[in-house]
Amino acid sequence: IAGITQAPTSQILAAGRRMTLRCTQDMRHNAMYWYRQDLGLGLRLIHYSNTAGTTGKGEVPDGYSVSRANTDDFPLTLASAVPSQTSVYFCASAKEGRVTSYNEQFFGPGTRLTVL
Amino acid sequence: KNQVEQSPQSLIILEGKNCTLQCNYTVSPFSNLRWYKQDTGRGPVSLTIMTFSENTKSNGRYTATLDADTKQSSLHITASQLSDSASYICVVPKSGAGSYQLTFGKGTKLSVIP
Repeated sequence: IAGITQAPTSQILAAGRRMTLRCTQDMRHNAMYWYRQDLGLGLRLIHYSNTAGTTGKGEVPDGYSVSRANTDDFPLTLASAVPSQTSVYFCASAKEGRVTSYNEQFFGPGTRLTVL
Repeated sequence: KNQVEQSPQSLIILEGKNCTLQCNYTVSPFSNLRWYKQDTGRGPVSLTIMTFSENTKSNGRYTATLDADTKQSSLHITASQLSDSASYICVVPKSGAGSYQLTFGKGTKLSVIP
C-alpha cells in the first residue's frame, strides 16, 4: 500500500540520549518534511528537503538534524535529547517543494516521543 | 507575520446536526488554503485545497468556502456522523520567500455525540 511509514510508533527516551526517527515514503515524492505537534500549537516545521541530496531548516530546527541520501528516506536525528523535545513528530511528503500550487502534502502516522 | 486563526477552539454537536468551523488568515499574497482532518492519534489527512479563485468546494458532506477579500474560510459539515469527531486544521502557505512552507492553524476539535 502506497504511503508514508514512520518508526517507531512511540518511544520513551532519557535526556541526553541520541535518537533517530525514521520516515519512508513509496510515492516517489521529491519533497519531504518533518513537523512537530505540541498541545495547543499548530504543526511546526522542523526541517524539509525539496529533493534528494538537499535539506533546509524550518521554523524550529535547533537540536535536530536530517539527511536525504535518497528519494524514499528522510530520517530525523536528535543528537542529545532534552525534555522540551517531547512531542508528536510527523513526517510528510509532496510531489514537489513549492506549496503555492495544488501540491498536496501527505502525512505519516506520527511518532510519539517522550524525553525524561 | 503569517498567521492562521481558527474558531471555535472546540465544539460538541449531536449526531446528525450541521456545524461550521471558521478560519481567518493574514498571509499575503494568498495562493491557496487547505483544510485537513486529523483523527486522534493519526496524521492529518487533506479534505480540500482551494485557490484564491474558488469560492466553494465540496468533498462529500464537507463544504469549504473562501472569501479572499476578507481572508476568511469556513468548513461546513452536513449531517454529522460520529466518525467526524476529529480536529480540523486550516493551513495556508507562507508568503514570499517562505512559499515552500505552510502555516498551520491550531485546529478546531469537533466532538460528535450520539
